[in-house]
Amino acid sequence: GAVVSQHPSWVICKSGTSVKIECRSLDFQATTMFWYRQFPKQSLMLMATSNEGSKATYEQGVEKDKFLINHASLTLSTLTVTSAHPEDSSFYICSAGGREPSSYNEQFFGPGTRLTVL
Amino acid sequence: GESVGLHLPTLSVQEGDNSIINCAYSNSASDYFIWYKQESGKGPQFIIDIRSNMDKRQGQRVTVLLNKTVKHLSLQIAATQPGDSAVYFCAESVSGNTPLVFGKGTRLSVIA
Repeated sequence: GAVVSQHPSWVICKSGTSVKIECRSLDFQATTMFWYRQFPKQSLMLMATSNEGSKATYEQGVEKDKFLINHASLTLSTLTVTSAHPEDSSFYICSAGGREPSSYNEQFFGPGTRLTVL
Repeated sequence: GESVGLHLPTLSVQEGDNSIINCAYSNSASDYFIWYKQESGKGPQFIIDIRSNMDKRQGQRVTVLLNKTVKHLSLQIAATQPGDSAVYFCAESVSGNTPLVFGKGTRLSVIA
């Protein structure tokens, strides 16, 4: 159990366009979902935490108007990179948690989405 | 042997040998720790976790050791196999009430 999927697995887009990435928990309801960004040969950096039905909490330095997060249901969260630029090229990973209420500990990670902005 | 690259330390081991991957964590208040394995182009995969009331926990072929005094965590992999080649990250949290903070990662390369 505890399978998390992401779509698309990779995307190439032109500079200035917007890209939406979906994160789904397939076999459980996730109260909380997390979005991470990972640059090559670096660690995962948390971008934001989203709770179903409420606004996402963004980490310091992450522009909330550029990285729009919507967590409309207990099984789906989306990250939209608006007006993408080459420096936004990265590996975006989501995780789903919350089977244990209000806990960050139990997180199940998606397979990641490789974004390349030309 | 172990080397430190531009961003990611690398540990090379012979197949069948034991591997020890180390992690120094930063927050003395952290009381929950997890090791993840990440293969190229994939998301992190849970390996094993440990809470601060323990100093050792064993899984299948893996052991995690926690030394709170020096804020050090290690992952031991017994009889390392080619399939163990990946990047390994430690992560820490405070009582499950704070987001996971990931360490820098170590690339494990298994030499057949």
